[in-house]
Amino acid sequence: AQSVTQLGSHVSVSEGALVLLRCNYSSSVPPYLFWYVQYPNQGLQLLLKYTSAATLVKGINGFEAEFKKSETSFHLTKPSAHMSDAAEYFCATSWSNYQLIWGAGTKLIIKP
Amino acid sequence: GAVVSQHPSRVICKSGTSVKIECRSLDFQATTMFWYRQFPKQSLMLMATSNEGSKATYEQGVEKDKFLINHASLTLSTLTVTSAHPEDSSFYICSARDFGKGGTGELFFGEGSRLTVL
Repeated sequence: AQSVTQLGSHVSVSEGALVLLRCNYSSSVPPYLFWYVQYPNQGLQLLLKYTSAATLVKGINGFEAEFKKSETSFHLTKPSAHMSDAAEYFCATSWSNYQLIWGAGTKLIIKP
Repeated sequence: GAVVSQHPSRVICKSGTSVKIECRSLDFQATTMFWYRQFPKQSLMLMATSNEGSKATYEQGVEKDKFLINHASLTLSTLTVTSAHPEDSSFYICSARDFGKGGTGELFFGEGSRLTVL
């Protein structure tokens, strides 16, 4: 069965530092991959998605993610963290762009 | 982009009462909507798939008599938590895909509804 693993339930970085949130998937074929962000007491917002068009995917708010088939990874990065990036981030995968399988989430903490 | 709206955003109720949460697609028609439940510090758990004009499809372990889902129109799905108990306290989120003209099939999420059962 497909699964998604997000390493680290909490990640803390200083403002201006690189953000790296890790996501690994298990699948026999390259799936659709997504990163969502959830701000406190809000629903989820799509950051970016991979649909096999390009391995490096650029999203909103300066985030990007790279699909690496050999590593079955889809890590999320941002060169310079901003205080407003503090939120919970979810990686998700899908075979058919229909039903999503979610990672457990990573809470990003930004230190002043 | 397409908007999905949930109401209420917060609700507090007494144990034994029923609570209805609405999920609306504001500018597109959604034949299918999804209901999720999120426990503290955990990921989303898909509860059921709501199908317009037919019965919802529930995930394994989700009590269909406990969590009543109605999808009476192409823009509205409701989740009713019947005879709510404190263990039903959670953050409930709905989502819908925009497959309409100009839509990309992207999944849009509501703002979520936080239920607290006393």
